[in-house]
Amino acid sequence: NAGVTQTPKFQVLKTGQSMTLQCAQDMNHNSMYWYRQDPGMGLRLIYYSASEGTTDKGEVPNGYNVSRLNKREFSLRLESAAPSQTSVYFCASSEAGENIQYFGAGTRLSVL
Amino acid sequence: LAKTTQPISMDSYEGQEVNITCSHNNIATNDYITWYQQFPSQGPRFIIQGYKTKVTNEVASLFIPADRKSSTLSLPRVSLSDTAVYYCLVGDEGYSTLTFGKGTMLLVSP
Repeated sequence: NAGVTQTPKFQVLKTGQSMTLQCAQDMNHNSMYWYRQDPGMGLRLIYYSASEGTTDKGEVPNGYNVSRLNKREFSLRLESAAPSQTSVYFCASSEAGENIQYFGAGTRLSVL
Repeated sequence: LAKTTQPISMDSYEGQEVNITCSHNNIATNDYITWYQQFPSQGPRFIIQGYKTKVTNEVASLFIPADRKSSTLSLPRVSLSDTAVYYCLVGDEGYSTLTFGKGTMLLVSP
């Protein structure tokens, strides 16, 4: 009963390094999402994928790229990390057309 | 998505009933009202969703007046483990993106 699994749980990067955050869901959901959450703030949508093969920008897409590898997996890539990208990143999934989303435990990223 | 307004924080004691009200004056006809709960260091978790009147599940109740311009999440007999941030969101059943505000930080004390 894993739900949404994110890896890694923690990561420290130096400015300019790249990395990929992984997300996988086992609920056969069509839609997947990436959010970031900064201290004291709500979640902000980075990118989403309404269905396999499609991706769309959310509220704060700059500095990020995504790949919907298959129905289960949706990755988030930082090509050249910046200190402003220090945040907690959450992946979520939902049924197509459903507005109830299921979230992973998050990845805590620090960029020095 | 309709904008929502909710208190920044609330305090309560164990065993009390807690009511968190959310204002959504420009809610549209097709919009549903959804509440999420977020514990520290975890992702948000769906609590309850409603369209009108009252909805109840094993965790909470959601009260929605006839004009639907506000809604109240009711947590019966809270415990320390209910300390969390609670988010109110409004949108139609088919919307594919969510907009989270800052939510309401509920602190339950012994």
